Amino acid sequence: DAKTTQPTSMDCAEGRAANLPCNHSTISGNEYVYWYRQIHSQGPQYIIHGLKNNETNEMASLIITEDRKSSTLILPHATLRDTAVYYCIPQGTQGGSEKLVFGKGTKLTVNP
Amino acid sequence: GAVVSQHPSWVICKSGTSVKIECRSLDFQATTMFWYRQFPKQSLMLMATSNEGSKATYEQGVEKDKFLINHASLTLSTLTVTSAHPEDSSFYICSAERDQYEQYFGPGTRLTVT
Repeated sequence: DAKTTQPTSMDCAEGRAANLPCNHSTISGNEYVYWYRQIHSQGPQYIIHGLKNNETNEMASLIITEDRKSSTLILPHATLRDTAVYYCIPQGTQGGSEKLVFGKGTKLTVNP
Repeated sequence: GAVVSQHPSWVICKSGTSVKIECRSLDFQATTMFWYRQFPKQSLMLMATSNEGSKATYEQGVEKDKFLINHASLTLSTLTVTSAHPEDSSFYICSAERDQYEQYFGPGTRLTVT
């Protein structure tokens, strides 16, 4: 499994963009980058995933560097409800079910 | 869509008793479900992978005789903590795989063993 490095914590002002970086320099060619978040005392919530190209959905945008060694999750207009721990998780595509390995993640605090 | 429920949401039991936690995929079928455990201020740790109709696969260090997993249907997996002790107190979370590489998580069950 690829190892990831994320900042322990970040702060963001409400209404501003939150940019959460993740380093996954050992990611293999067939591994996607998945982002989940966990609001306190709840189960994790899927946000977005990508392989090479940048991706966008209703929740966030994912920017993956050309060498795929790092990525950035962007919450364009952070709200107080976005306060959570964000996890960046490489996941393989070898076929069959793939277990998710959660690291320590980044605790994002959105301030009013 | 893709809703996963857990029951109960919290439970308190006495040391030595057994507790069963249910995980259901409400609007999709899941051949594979996963069980995680999370201690305070720590990340989720995978305990086991549950496959419908077959034996679960446990992660290293997880006692299969203590944490019994049954995945009898495509929408239900259960985790039974047998002879629970205070050190088993934790937040137990399941996830269900809808399509390949799409996992949806339940809200979690908080277990307190007194």
